[in-house]
Amino acid sequence: KAGVTQTPRYLIKTRGQQVTLSCSPISGHRSVSWYQQTPGQGLQFLFEYFSETQRNKGNFPGRFSGRQFSNSRSEMNVSTLELGDSALYLCASSSDGTYYGYTFGSGTRLTVV
Amino acid sequence: SQQGEEDPQALSIQEGENATMNCSYKTSINNLQWYRQNSGRGLVHLILIRSNEREKHSGRLRVTLDTSKKSSSLLITASRAADTASYFCATNAGGTSYGKLTFGQGTILTVHP
Repeated sequence: KAGVTQTPRYLIKTRGQQVTLSCSPISGHRSVSWYQQTPGQGLQFLFEYFSETQRNKGNFPGRFSGRQFSNSRSEMNVSTLELGDSALYLCASSSDGTYYGYTFGSGTRLTVV
Repeated sequence: SQQGEEDPQALSIQEGENATMNCSYKTSINNLQWYRQNSGRGLVHLILIRSNEREKHSGRLRVTLDTSKKSSSLLITASRAADTASYFCATNAGGTSYGKLTFGQGTILTVHP
């Protein structure tokens, strides 16, 4: 079956702009989580959606937001970009979001200049 | 914040040797998972071990879990050059920790042909 698809793969944005990243989970998976990976902070949890509802949120400012559609596809949005938002953003899908393993996408590499 | 630490931070071995990586965590867990990441790409799920399990095998992988010491180890037997990657442990606390994996800082494994 198809894996987790993230688009775009690479993105360059200017400080102050906003960006939207997309994630299509594995068919049948209703849980989608987002993570930020940076050399300094490692992998950090952003938020999780299940059946269009945000069930959990990490410690990120309100500039980071997300949503999930009825087909389980998810988007995350970062507004008013800062240089420190440069990172690899990873999406992961799971059948339930808790008790089983996650399948990760290849990520979106965001560079803020 | 990271759940715990991985040890060693980097490991260099020859093909055919075994590689052992250790992970410690701080809070109670429902399960612990190991992931592999090649060159800043997406994470690949390797194995999941639940808190009531002590050991699990998958192919050349062996994972142990000691909940009394809050630690886990990943053993890769008969390493191959293709095993060169970063390896991360991640914990899920269960309950309402929907979608939230807490990652260690990772071990960089280099397997020389």
